[in-house]
Amino acid sequence: AQSVAQPEDQVNVAEGNPLTVKCTYSVSGNPYLFWYVQYPNRGLQFLLKYITGDNLVKGSYGFEAEFNKSQTSFHLKKPSALVSDSALYFCAVREVDTGFQKLVFGTGTRLLVSP
Amino acid sequence: KAGVTQTPRYLIKTRGQQVTLSCSPISGHRSVSWYQQTPGQGLQFLFEYFSETQRNKGNFPGRFSGRQFSNSRSEMNVSTLELGDSALYLCASSSGQGLNEKLFFGSGTQLSVL
Repeated sequence: AQSVAQPEDQVNVAEGNPLTVKCTYSVSGNPYLFWYVQYPNRGLQFLLKYITGDNLVKGSYGFEAEFNKSQTSFHLKKPSALVSDSALYFCAVREVDTGFQKLVFGTGTRLLVSP
Repeated sequence: KAGVTQTPRYLIKTRGQQVTLSCSPISGHRSVSWYQQTPGQGLQFLFEYFSETQRNKGNFPGRFSGRQFSNSRSEMNVSTLELGDSALYLCASSSGQGLNEKLFFGSGTQLSVL
């Protein structure tokens, strides 16, 4: 079965500094990995997805993710954080064993960017 | 293009009642998935419908059911509500074809069971 782990409940960073939100995965076969963001009282918004062959994936709002097969990681990064980036971030993997559209989510990491 | 629409936005029910939530997917999308989000359990997959057929189901009791209509709109029903059913219920849509496809989420229905 596919799974992802987000080891940090919260990440604090000052505005203008780089940020990293960590995610590790466990899959059998090819990984189908995603990052989503959730703002208060809202649904999830897609940020980016892993595309086979591209170790650095660029996504929305200046975010990018680094895929590392040897470390089974898919960390979310941004070179310069904004206060408006403060939100809940979820890493997810497609559950390919049992069905097409099932995503298995990590527990989420709350990002707090201070002015 | 309109996004995924979920109604109602908020619901308050009492234990033992039943509730129906509605989801209208993005036009042209044939797959609708439902997720339950709680602070303790995070995001849990409920089920997925594609072209009016349930294609996948999560580990929830039979009190949780759903259906999909010919226009791809979907409803989710929870019978005999329990306090633990209080959660944000999220609906997501996609074309339903492709493992690399992203899901589009609605804003959710916040259900409170008293």
